[in-house]
Amino acid sequence: GAGVSQSPSNKVTEKGKDVELRCDPISGHTALYWYRQSLGQGLEFLIYFQGNSAPDKSGLPSDRFSAERTGGSVSTLTIQRTQQEDSAVYLCASSLAKGARNTIYFGEGSWLTVV
Amino acid sequence: EDKVVQSPLSLVVHEGDTVTLNCSYEVTNFRSLLWYKQEKKAPTFLFMLTSSGIEKKSGRLSSILDKKELFSILNITATQTGDSAIYLCAVEARGKLIFGQGTELSVKP
Repeated sequence: GAGVSQSPSNKVTEKGKDVELRCDPISGHTALYWYRQSLGQGLEFLIYFQGNSAPDKSGLPSDRFSAERTGGSVSTLTIQRTQQEDSAVYLCASSLAKGARNTIYFGEGSWLTVV
Repeated sequence: EDKVVQSPLSLVVHEGDTVTLNCSYEVTNFRSLLWYKQEKKAPTFLFMLTSSGIEKKSGRLSSILDKKELFSILNITATQTGDSAIYLCAVEARGKLIFGQGTELSVKP
């Protein structure tokens, strides 16, 4: 597609349920990132995939969070047993990860509300 | 369609120079405008602006918002090589963050 696509755009879930958030990066982009942002806060890095390398999971806040990237393209962020503090906008971004510019392109985000 | 446009897309300056980065936007239900600095992976939050005409300042960085003309500027004075990064502008609207493409700043010694 023309840009980074995320779904769902909005998700309301009950505490304790699992949720899956999907990211479809720009075609040809080898780097994919997940971020989280709570209202009024800066972006919080979660996880980073680069090509076939092992992902950098250093930002995942707990073992309830996991992500995978299948075939080097689409990524799914899974949150198990959701808690209210998980409510935030989850942003996915991708970049070419080569060349000097390395601009990252963000999707519009998935707004998660845990009630 | 919501739009956030940053200019210039790239900028090369020398240490000690002052730079001004621009961000204009057209969105529905504007809530706030945010500036980030991206050096490697995770962008670093710089400022959040919600009101017109009130300058936010942090060290050599400052920013101001004009909600009438729909733009914001980020100023960096006495630039240092450590300021080299991509600077991202984002607008918060209707529960989403809409980002500009970023300005790539390179500060040469």
